[in-house]
Amino acid sequence: GQQLNQSPQSMFIQEGEDVSMNCTSSSIFNTWLWYKQDPGEGPVLLIALYKAGELTSNGRLTAQFGITRKDSFLNISASIPSDVGIYFCAGQAGGYQKVTFGIGTKLQVIP
Amino acid sequence: EPEVTQTPSHQVTQMGQEVILRCVPISNHLYFYWYRQILGQKVEFLVSFYNNEISEKSEIFDDQFSVERPDGSNFTLKIRSTKLEDSAMYFCASSEFMSITDTQYFGPGTRLTVL
Repeated sequence: GQQLNQSPQSMFIQEGEDVSMNCTSSSIFNTWLWYKQDPGEGPVLLIALYKAGELTSNGRLTAQFGITRKDSFLNISASIPSDVGIYFCAGQAGGYQKVTFGIGTKLQVIP
Repeated sequence: EPEVTQTPSHQVTQMGQEVILRCVPISNHLYFYWYRQILGQKVEFLVSFYNNEISEKSEIFDDQFSVERPDGSNFTLKIRSTKLEDSAMYFCASSEFMSITDTQYFGPGTRLTVL
C-alpha cells in the first residue's frame, strides 16, 4: 500500500520561531492534506492541496504540493503556544477516497 | 458550523463482547468512513461506505467488523467479538461526494478499551 514518510517526528521550538515539516510518499497522490490533532480529539483539516506545485496559505500556515506529486511541506510562521499538537500529512487518490496518513509530527512550543 | 458527532466518547468492554460505535455524519454528506488510531500511532483507514454499501475496506476490516446506516442520520461500526488489539480511538468521517475537492471531516472519536 501507499506509505507516507513524515519528518521530523517531534520538534521543540521557542515561541515566535518558524517551523517546517515535510512528507514524502512512495507513490503519487492527487490531493495532499495537512491535519492537526489535539489530545483526545479527532484530526482537524488545516490545508488541502489539489494541484501539483500549488502553494496555499491559511493564516500563519503555508503548505505546498510538490511538483512530483510525491511530497508536501507545511510551514508554520511565528509559532504560538496553541500551535502545540500533532500535525499529520495525508494523501488521497481522489476527493472521496480513503485518506492515507503519515506518522505525525509532534510539535511542542516553549513559551 | 456542522460537525460529525460520535457516541460514546469512551467505551470499555470485555474481550469477546460485541460493541457498536455510533456516528452522526454531517447532514448533507453522502460518503462515510471509519478510521482507527492505536495509541501513539498514525490514523488508519478501515472502511468507506456510500449508497448503503461498502466502497472500500482495508485489511484491518475483517469479518469481525461491520458497518450499517440504520436510518437517515446514523452510521455505525460493529465489532462482533472484541480482541485486546481492538483497543484504539475510532474516528468517523464524512464527505459530500460532490467534487474532487471534497474533504473528509472527522468526528471527535470514540476511545475503545478492551479488557
